[in-house]
Amino acid sequence: QVQLVESGGGVVQPGRSQRLSCAATGFTISDAAMYWVRQAPGKGLEWVAVISYDGSRKYYADAVKGRLIISRDNSKNTLSLQMNSLGVEDTAMYYCARGVAMGSAWSDAFDIWGQGTMVTVSS
Amino acid sequence: DIQMTQSPSSVSASVGDRVTITCRASQGISTWLAWYQQKPGKAPKLLIYAASSLQGGVPSRFSGSGSGTDFTLTISSLQSEDSATYYCQQANSFPNTFGQGTKLEIK
Repeated sequence: QVQLVESGGGVVQPGRSQRLSCAATGFTISDAAMYWVRQAPGKGLEWVAVISYDGSRKYYADAVKGRLIISRDNSKNTLSLQMNSLGVEDTAMYYCARGVAMGSAWSDAFDIWGQGTMVTVSS
Repeated sequence: DIQMTQSPSSVSASVGDRVTITCRASQGISTWLAWYQQKPGKAPKLLIYAASSLQGGVPSRFSGSGSGTDFTLTISSLQSEDSATYYCQQANSFPNTFGQGTKLEIK
């Protein structure tokens, strides 16, 4: 079964760190760029970060740059998001997603999504 | 950053109706646009990619069109299971950005 499964969410205090993981089954992530997208409660989707198929290139949304770090381990078929200096504005459901090229490099749609893991930043 | 603006923000329609949602980009994005459907408590689902290509397994009543800055998602004959929020996403440049969403309700 082709799926992505996120884990690592929970309640964390402001200023602390949290690490999210995303495990792929039924396919190998090594051929694809992988993404994190988040959604604050009752709000829309927000693109967070992307990592290239080999981990050599990474891009971040301005809101998370310098605090969140995306990484991957292709040998374990997993994606990670290290979240540092968390603030209440980071409270959201975090989804990992596989990128599929729409015809140009880095022009990806997201064809496989995990079920999400909720991160709540609160004292 | 490229801003994506969807309209309307919400729409109510009856089963069998034709529904159109529009998405406008703040600058040209060629056809690097995707549409997603999200139901409450669920992850988004890819419907359309490259502006007009139907993702496998998606019913043919969904279609997309447009290029440059103006795009549309059309549901030709609305079904009850189409009640959801719909998002457009640009993939022309990073950061990829989403529209604010259009909530579709069935009358």
